Amino acid sequence: DAGVTQSPTHLIKTRGQQVTLRCSPKSGHDTVSWYQQALGQGPQFIFQYYEEEERQRGNFPDRFSGHQFPNYSSELNVNALLLGDSALYLCATRTGRTDTQYFGPGTRLTVL
Amino acid sequence: GQQLNQSPQSMFIQEGEDVSMNCTSSSIFNTWLWYKQDPGEGPVLLIALYKAGELTSNGRLTAQFGITRKDSFLNISASIPSDVGIYFCAGQSVYNQGGKLIFGQGTELSVKP
Repeated sequence: DAGVTQSPTHLIKTRGQQVTLRCSPKSGHDTVSWYQQALGQGPQFIFQYYEEEERQRGNFPDRFSGHQFPNYSSELNVNALLLGDSALYLCATRTGRTDTQYFGPGTRLTVL
Repeated sequence: GQQLNQSPQSMFIQEGEDVSMNCTSSSIFNTWLWYKQDPGEGPVLLIALYKAGELTSNGRLTAQFGITRKDSFLNISASIPSDVGIYFCAGQSVYNQGGKLIFGQGTELSVKP
């Protein structure tokens, strides 16, 4: 049973560029959430996707956008990158029947 | 962003000792989750709690959902070197079912052999 997978593992970008991160959910999961984790902090909720729609959003600017595909996989897009966007981006998935979320290994984004 | 109050921030203990950490919230939660995170990796779920007063064990780990629904604790008995890592509590507010998890700041655990 495959767990949550994310790609790429690491990414280096420069300010102003755009980035796309990808997540494949754990088998049987249909809901995908994205979190940003700065160094030394707990994860912060960005948004959640269910049935290909954004269902809930945290306190992040519109530069952060996402998408969910029919196979439940998801993308996180960040435009006009800032130095402060450097962080570990985590994807978490769950089924609609439980609140328990399972995390992927994350994508380490460095903005120079 | 909103966070839970998790304590202690760090612990340095001897192998074989027991460990206790806790989280408190100003609002009522309907779910408490405990995760362990190793450097550069994603959080791994340790224990999930869904009812006030619930006490759940996973091997040497025991966690409880507080009666007030505003707190939770995690105990680790007879610690071993592989317990080293950062432990996070996470909760889901009753006003936000099925939605975002709110995380504590983490407890960094170091175990001396």
